[in-house]
Amino acid sequence: GAGVSQSPRYKVAKRGQDVALRCDPISGHVSLFWYQQALGQGPEFLTYFQNEAQLDKSGLPSDRFFAERPEGSVSTLKIQRTQQEDSAVYLCASSLAAAGAAGTQYFGPGTRLLVL
Amino acid sequence: DQQVKQNSPSLSVQEGRISILNCDYTNSMFDYFLWYKKYPAEGPTFLISISSIKDKNEDGRFTVFLNKSAKHLSLHIVPSQPGDSAVYFCAASGRGGGNKLTFGTGTQLKVEL
Repeated sequence: GAGVSQSPRYKVAKRGQDVALRCDPISGHVSLFWYQQALGQGPEFLTYFQNEAQLDKSGLPSDRFFAERPEGSVSTLKIQRTQQEDSAVYLCASSLAAAGAAGTQYFGPGTRLLVL
Repeated sequence: DQQVKQNSPSLSVQEGRISILNCDYTNSMFDYFLWYKKYPAEGPTFLISISSIKDKNEDGRFTVFLNKSAKHLSLHIVPSQPGDSAVYFCAASGRGGGNKLTFGTGTQLKVEL
């Protein structure tokens, strides 16, 4: 595709439900990132993949958050037992650059999650 | 601990004039800096970047200046156009942090007719 795509664009979940957010990166991009953006704030790093390897998950706020990229392309961010504080926009970005090399990250439109 | 700071939450300029957006950082390990533009309900769109080996990078109407000693960078837009009205985020990455970006809180730019 021409850019990074994410689905769903909007998700409303009841507290305690599990949710799965999908990211399709730009074809050929080695690196994939997930960020969380709260209202009025800048995006905050969650986790990073190079191909299928999850190289950094230091930003995941709790063990309820889990991300995977099994074939090195599409990635899924899963949140178990959602809480109200999980309400945010979840952004996915991809980059040609591999680990250790500075590179431009290109962002998808985000998934806006609202937990009631 | 905010490692990237954008101290002006908003900025208003007239069409045709220069817009200057500022960003300060505290982490001396940062060596690559980017500016993104964001419209409501869309993801951030890459504008321009600069490596720490340079002090200026220009792309059309957009110029980014980096002052490493002051740990300060700025984005200049000239001439400003109404379509430039958006939230602008400064971001940084660097040695020891992998490729992850650390963002500021953004500056809302409004370009008035």
